[in-house]
Amino acid sequence: GEDVEQSLFLSVREGDSSVINCTYTDSSSTYLYWYKQEPGAGLQLLTYIFSNMDMKQDQRLTVLLNKKDKHLSLRIADTQTGDSAIYFCAESISDSWGKLQFGAGTQVVVTP
Amino acid sequence: DVKVTQSSRYLVKRTGEKVFLECVQDMDHENMFWYRQDPGLGLRLIYFSYDVKMKEKGDIPEGYSVSREKKERFSLILESASTNQTSMYLCASSHGGQGPPQHFGDGTRLSIL
Repeated sequence: GEDVEQSLFLSVREGDSSVINCTYTDSSSTYLYWYKQEPGAGLQLLTYIFSNMDMKQDQRLTVLLNKKDKHLSLRIADTQTGDSAIYFCAESISDSWGKLQFGAGTQVVVTP
Repeated sequence: DVKVTQSSRYLVKRTGEKVFLECVQDMDHENMFWYRQDPGLGLRLIYFSYDVKMKEKGDIPEGYSVSREKKERFSLILESASTNQTSMYLCASSHGGQGPPQHFGDGTRLSIL
């Protein structure tokens, strides 16, 4: 199947900005998503962007979409220890029943 | 807020048992999904359903079945549990159509001894 690719690990100091990157494969994806998973929990929807947008901002979160390069990024401003988690990128699959294709997840560790 | 509730957070069963994992959503969503999550493998789709009594195989359906008798409830069944089915199981739901976000339950950590 098609792969959504993310780097596996990111370490960032508290107060700095974090940038998590993702490349996706389906140029006809309608939506792209970022999910957060804290230890032992399910996935929490953080934000999503419609494919005709190139940027979306929501408080400390900024999503950038480069459709030409099929590149999606999530920037977290003023990273806090509570932001330590696994972050998943996902794309909607065209002509499917709402199925999503997930990346393997990026483990973000915030250090004091 | 959307609420997706999985019946158990932790479950321990024995090899060969028939295991039922239940999932209920309260937002009248058409679509429901079952995933398993294993370290290094990410989320893998087991089965999904786009309507009552409708089901479609995902990427790894072998050893599993599902049931959707009511719109709000989607059950995952391990017909004869095996140790390689020890995993974290996640249920999700979404509105119908292409692309609405999926909302997840808290997961069930299943151990097969």
